[in-house]
Amino acid sequence: EVQLVQSGAEVKKPGESLKISCKGSGYSFTSYWIGWVRQMPGKGLEWMGIIYPGDSDTRYSPSFQGQVTISADKSISTAYLQWSSLKASDTAMYYCARQAATYRSGWYYYYMDVWGKGTTVTVSS
Amino acid sequence: DIQLTQSPSFLSASVGDRVTITCRASQGISGYLAWYQQKPGKAPKLLIYAASTLQSGVPSRFSGSGSGTEFTLTISSLQPEDFATYFCQQLNSYPRTFGQGTKLEIK
Repeated sequence: EVQLVQSGAEVKKPGESLKISCKGSGYSFTSYWIGWVRQMPGKGLEWMGIIYPGDSDTRYSPSFQGQVTISADKSISTAYLQWSSLKASDTAMYYCARQAATYRSGWYYYYMDVWGKGTTVTVSS
Repeated sequence: DIQLTQSPSFLSASVGDRVTITCRASQGISGYLAWYQQKPGKAPKLLIYAASTLQSGVPSRFSGSGSGTEFTLTISSLQPEDFATYFCQQLNSYPRTFGQGTKLEIK
């Protein structure tokens, strides 16, 4: 079974650092991009960035560039999302998702087909 | 960044109704659009990709259409389990972006 298993809920204080994880199994981890999506309480989905574990190529949304770091360790099939100094506004649910692709008529069509269950991050003094 | 605007933001309907949700892109994205369903406390679930291709295991009452800047998600006959929030996402370019969501409620 293809799955992404995320690390558990975190409660942190402003200014602290944090690294959450997303472990893939049941497929070739190095062959698919892994993206991160934020959902603040009661709000919509925000695409944060994505990494290709095969070569660590990483893309960020301008909204999150410099605010977070996305990394991966292909030896243990795990992607990471980290903060060096958390703010209260980082309180949210964070999902990782696999970006798959279908080749059709000369073009690749992408989509996020497998999602982790999410990691809740609460930042409060 | 490409902006996606969904309409309506809220939709009240009854079991058995046919409903349509629209997603408009701020610039052309060809057919690089996906739709997701999210229920409270759960991760999003892929319904449709490439604008109109049904993900494996998704009921055939869901369908998608469109190209360029305007796309629709249609549920042909609402079932009780369909009441949820729906999001579109463009995958034409980085950063990938989502629509703001459409909450489908029971009338």
